[in-house]
Amino acid sequence: DGGITQSPKYLFRKEGQNVTLSCEQNLNHDAMYWYRQDPGQGLRLIYYSQIVNDFQKGDIAEGYSVSREKKESFPLTVTSAQKNPTAFYLCASKARRNTEAFFGQGTRLTVV
Amino acid sequence: GESVGLHLPTLSVQEGDNSIINCAYSNSASDYFIWYKQESGKGPQFIIDIRSNMDKRQGQRVTVLLNKTVKHLSLQIAATQPGDSAVYFCAEGVPGAGSYQLTFGKGTKLSVIP
Repeated sequence: DGGITQSPKYLFRKEGQNVTLSCEQNLNHDAMYWYRQDPGQGLRLIYYSQIVNDFQKGDIAEGYSVSREKKESFPLTVTSAQKNPTAFYLCASKARRNTEAFFGQGTRLTVV
Repeated sequence: GESVGLHLPTLSVQEGDNSIINCAYSNSASDYFIWYKQESGKGPQFIIDIRSNMDKRQGQRVTVLLNKTVKHLSLQIAATQPGDSAVYFCAEGVPGAGSYQLTFGKGTKLSVIP
C-alpha cells in the first residue's frame, strides 16, 4: 500500500542524548516536512525539503537537524541542543503545489 | 471558531445537528486551502480542499466555503456524528517560486454530544 510511515510510534530519550525519528514514503512525493505538535496546539514547521539533497529551515528549526539523501526518506534528529523536545512529531509529504499533504501517524517523543 | 494566535477553541454540537468550524487565514495571496481532521494520537487526515477561484465546494457530508474578501474559510459538517469528534485544522497554500508550503491554523476541537 502507498503511504507515509513514521517510526517508532513512541520514543523515550534521556536528557543530553540525540535521537533520530524515521519518516519513509512510497508515494513518489517530491516534498517532505517535519512538524512539531504540543498538547492542545497546532502544527509548527521544523524543516522541509522540496528535493533530494536540499532542505530548508522552518519556523522552529533550532535544536533539530535533517537529511534528504533519498527521495523516500527524511529522518529528523532531535539534538541535545533542543531544550524542550517532549512533543508529538508529524512527518508529511506532498506531490506538488496546490495538493494536499499526506501525514504519517506521528512519533511521540518523551524526555525522561 | 479557529483563528491564528488563539489557544485551541472548542465547539460542542449535539449529534445529528450541523457543525460549522471557522478559520481566519492570514495571507491574502494564498490560493489553496485544505481542511484536515486529527483524531487523538493520530496524524491529520485530509477532508476537503478548495482553490481560490472557487467559493464553495461540497464533499460527502462536508462543505467548505471560502470568502476571500474577509480571508475566511469555514467547514460545515452535516448531521454530525460521534465519529466526527476530533480537532479540525485549516491550512493555506502560499504561492511562491517552487513553494510547496502549507501554513496551518491552530485548530478547533469538535466534541459531539450523543
